[in-house]
Amino acid sequence: GENVEQHPSTLSVQEGDSAVIKCTYSDSASNYFPWYKQELGKGPQLIIDIRSNVGEKKDQRIAVTLNKTAKHFSLHITETQPEDSAVYFCAARSRGGANNLFFGTGTRLTVIP
Amino acid sequence: DGGITQSPKYLFRKEGQNVTLSCEQNLNHDAMYWYRQDPGQGLRLIYYSQIVNDFQKGDIAEGYSVSREKKESFPLTVTSAQKNPTAFYLCASTPSWDASGNTIYFGEGSWLTVV
Repeated sequence: GENVEQHPSTLSVQEGDSAVIKCTYSDSASNYFPWYKQELGKGPQLIIDIRSNVGEKKDQRIAVTLNKTAKHFSLHITETQPEDSAVYFCAARSRGGANNLFFGTGTRLTVIP
Repeated sequence: DGGITQSPKYLFRKEGQNVTLSCEQNLNHDAMYWYRQDPGQGLRLIYYSQIVNDFQKGDIAEGYSVSREKKESFPLTVTSAQKNPTAFYLCASTPSWDASGNTIYFGEGSWLTVV
């Protein structure tokens, strides 16, 4: 099955700086890579996703890059704000069923005002 | 507003008790899922249901049971056979089972603590 590794587990940045979270996956058949933001005591919320036919996707301050050859993808947050503080999860899926959606272990991002 | 509603938000279970977590969605989604989340770990799939009256075991189904009698409801029972049930439980849904463009939507979660 798929194995998704996520680094770092914790990340602290100064407000206004950029934050980068990286994930690797093992199954070359994986073709969908979502990123979720989870605030304390709440369910994860999808913030951006990318499919394997695209190398990069951007939505305002958030961007995701995908390197299929190296089997890794990254989340980039620019101009970080205190409200960006949360736990971020990456995931990878090889087929449509959600039983094939495998999550990383999460990164706790803290943005210091 | 459409969404997934989980209840209760906090639940305490005594040793040997079965407890049931409720999950209701008004998104008209076919597929529903239950995940367990432990500190420092990713989400692990407990059970999933592709369509009403169907459900399948996920990666960590032992000690849990589900039913899917209605499209909008997918309750999870944590039985006394689950030896370490203290965790955050998340219910989720997708519009269909295997469409490649599926986005998974999560509820707000339920905290279960054994006392």
